[in-house]
Amino acid sequence: TQLLEQSPQFLSIQEGENLTVYCNSSSVFSSLQWYRQEPGEGPVLLVTVVTGGEVKKLKRLTFQFGDARKDSSLHITAAQPGDTGLYLCAGDGDNFNKFYFGSGTKLNVKP
Amino acid sequence: NAGVTQTPKFQVLKTGQSMTLQCAQDMNHEYMSWYRQDPGMGLRLIHYSVGAGITDQGEVPNGYNVSRSTTEDFPLRLLSAAPSQTSVYFCASSLLAGPTDTQYFGPGTRLTVL
Repeated sequence: TQLLEQSPQFLSIQEGENLTVYCNSSSVFSSLQWYRQEPGEGPVLLVTVVTGGEVKKLKRLTFQFGDARKDSSLHITAAQPGDTGLYLCAGDGDNFNKFYFGSGTKLNVKP
Repeated sequence: NAGVTQTPKFQVLKTGQSMTLQCAQDMNHEYMSWYRQDPGMGLRLIHYSVGAGITDQGEVPNGYNVSRSTTEDFPLRLLSAAPSQTSVYFCASSLLAGPTDTQYFGPGTRLTVL
């Protein structure tokens, strides 16, 4: 059973377009993390959100944590080919020692 | 710092064979964990450790053993490999467990069980 559902599963867009990726759950998380993973490598942490309603910006990436701490979104403005990769969300659930990952959104940005 | 290192990078096993996947970190991190990644499934936690001598089960522990005799090393043992264990395995570490600590992942071990 996936605690975290990500959508869409795949996304292929042109350079310069905007996009939003969603991470949803019926469970409450004390925090959510977003990672990007490139082929053949391990995931790399992009951001951690810990407060309901929190918005964090990382250059062209905007991350939001839902008010009820059950969902999160990642918005990319003016996507570039370098944004191509697998985007994963992860939350710690009811145990700070255990992390649960979503199935990921595979993004392809075409030049 | 080398960060998190994993060996081997690739491995092919026959059903029933045993092997150990190695993971080491040089950042003096207390928390270490093992995940497996299968297509369309994201990463699933196998086992984790909050410090030397302390290990616990994650989401999918069956068929795997771990031990943590030192802070640096966290090997994952497959006792009797099965085709269902074909996957990419990632080791990760963070300074402490907890929602705000950054987890650093190794490059992965790609395992095929025939």
